[in-house]
Amino acid sequence: QKEVEQDPGPLSVPEGAIVSLNCTYSNSAFQYFMWYRQYSRKGPELLMYTYSSGNKEDGRFTAQVDKSSKYISLFIRDSQPSDSATYLCAMLRGGSYIPTFGRGTSLIVHP
Amino acid sequence: GAGVSQSPRYKVAKRGQDVALRCDPISGHVSLFWYQQALGQGPEFLTYFQNEAQLDKSGLPSDRFFAERPEGSVSTLKIQRTQQEDSAVYLCASSLERQFYGYTFGSGTRLTVV
Repeated sequence: QKEVEQDPGPLSVPEGAIVSLNCTYSNSAFQYFMWYRQYSRKGPELLMYTYSSGNKEDGRFTAQVDKSSKYISLFIRDSQPSDSATYLCAMLRGGSYIPTFGRGTSLIVHP
Repeated sequence: GAGVSQSPRYKVAKRGQDVALRCDPISGHVSLFWYQQALGQGPEFLTYFQNEAQLDKSGLPSDRFFAERPEGSVSTLKIQRTQQEDSAVYLCASSLERQFYGYTFGSGTRLTVV
C-alpha cells in the first residue's frame, strides 16, 4: 500500500460546478500538505499548502486537512475549463524536504 | 532565464543506449532536484544538489543513473544502458532554497526506451 493514495479519475464536471479532490495517507508523521496542478506536458506547479490540520482558502480554491482521519481535500468553486489538469496531492514529514506525491487526479471541466 | 529549461523535450532510446538529459535552472537558484514521473504516477525524487554538491542521491534507482552539476548551474542526468522500465518523464526543479514551496519545475524530458 502506498503512503499516499489518490483516485486517478478522470473526474468530468460541467463548467461552474464545485469540484472536490481528495487524498488519503497512512503516515501520521506528515505535517505539510500540498496541492499541485499539472497541465498536460508541463511540470507541476504548487497551488496551495497547509501546515497541520485546518482549512486554507485562496480565491476559488480551498484546502482542508483532517489529520485525525488522515484525509485531505481540495475544493474548487465555480470551476472553469482552464482548471482542466491533473491535480497532485503531496505531503512532507517535519524536517524533510522531499515531498511524497500522490498519483494525481485528472480533472476535466467541460463548457 | 524566466523558467527552468529542460532538453531534449522528447527522447527515444534503444534499450542499452546511454542518454543524457539536461536541466538549465533559474539563474541564481541554489537548489536543484531531479524527479522521475512514470505514466499515471506522481513524481518520485531522484537526487538533490545544493550548488555543485550532490547532497542526496537516495532516490536514484540503480547505479546506471548518474547526475552532476559541475559548476553549480546546469545539471545533467545520465542513464547508462537504458531499460524499458526507465521510460518516464524526468522533471527538474530549482529553488532559491531547498524548501518545497520554492520549487519551480521544468516541463520535463519524456524518455521512451524501445
